[in-house]
Parts: sequence; structure tokens; C-alpha cells
Amino acid sequence: KAGVTQTPRYLIKTRGQQVTLSCSPISGHRSVSWYQQTPGQGLQFLFEYFSETQRNKGNFPGRFSGRQFSNSRSEMNVSTLELGDSALYLCASSLSFPGGFYGYTFGSGTRLTVV
Amino acid sequence: QQPVQSPQAVILREGEDAVINCSSSKALYSVHWYRQKHGEAPVFLMILLKGGEQKGHEKISASFNEKKQQSSLYLTASQLSYSGTYFCGTEGDNNDMRFGAGTRLTVKP
Repeated sequence: KAGVTQTPRYLIKTRGQQVTLSCSPISGHRSVSWYQQTPGQGLQFLFEYFSETQRNKGNFPGRFSGRQFSNSRSEMNVSTLELGDSALYLCASSLSFPGGFYGYTFGSGTRLTVV
Repeated sequence: QQPVQSPQAVILREGEDAVINCSSSKALYSVHWYRQKHGEAPVFLMILLKGGEQKGHEKISASFNEKKQQSSLYLTASQLSYSGTYFCGTEGDNNDMRFGAGTRLTVKP
């Protein structure tokens, strides 16, 4: 079966711009989480959605937002980009909220570079 | 809220054993373990639930001490394929999932 699909894979943006990242979960998975990964910081939790509702939110500024659609696809938006937003953004899906018995399946991520 | 992993890095020879620890300051409902190889997505290894039920990888084991809010991942007779960064993820009673900073494991021939 198809895995978690994230688009685009790579992105270069200029400071001050905004960006939208997309995540299509595994078919049947209703929970989608977003993480920011930077060297040495591990996986920093952004937010988690289940059935179109945000269930949890991490400690990120309001410039980071997300949403989930009725087909479970999710988007993440970052406005007014800063150099420090450069990172790998990972999306993970699971059958249930939060991680379920079978854990999360991660996508390959979107590498965002802010210049 | 982020769990603390130790050690940060470990280097092994093939066939040697390793233990990776994960500690949380809050009560836990479950602990997940993942492995991420360079340039790839993290891959689920196993989950340990409060109450002792476990489901996961056949060649790697783990323990979960609910009272101490700690988990340990045991890799025995390590293989080259074990190399990667290992993350623990902890789920609290309020259904939030947080990951540690990771432990980089390198297995050499």
C-alpha cells in the first residue's frame, strides 16, 4: 500500500515569505502529526490532527499553522519565514490518536531552506 | 516535556550489545521506539504500553518502567544494519506524543 506522501520534497524560500507543505497519509489513517527536525534537536512536535480537529499543539509561534481535510490530507503553513525555520519537516500518520498500537508511519519529509 | 535520551551517541563493533535509555519527567501511557537511517524517514520499531503489553521488532527488545517513567532499548549482537539514529517517543496521559533528541548508533565491522 502507498506510504505517507509529502510534497514538495525540497523547497527554497526567502525570509518573509510564506510556505505551505502537504501531507497525504496512508489510506485509512485518520491521525496526522507534524514534526520539525533539525540537527541535534531531534523531532520537535508541531501539531496533531484527528478527524479534522487539532488535538495537540507544540510550543511553536503562531506563524506555524495547520489543518486537516475530510479526506485526512493535511497541510502545514508557515508565514513570515525566518532563517531559523530551515529544517526537515516530517509528517506522520497513524490509525488512531495519538499513535495507536502500531505507531506512526513517517513520510520522507520536506526539506525547507530559508535564505 | 521532551524525553531525555542517553547516550547521545555510541559506537559498536558487530556482535556487541548496546542499551539506549529514555527518561521522562511525566507519567507515561506508552513509549514508542523508532530508527532513522541517514536521509530516510524514521521507522517504527516497537511500542510499550502501560501495563506491560508490547508489540514490535523481533530482533530488538525493550523495557518500560512505569513507576520510574523510563524505557530502555536493547540491541543484542548488533549488525551493520542497526546503524542509525534511535528516537524514543513518549505518550502522556493527555494523549500528547513527544520525541527525544535521538541516540546515534554506529556499528562498525
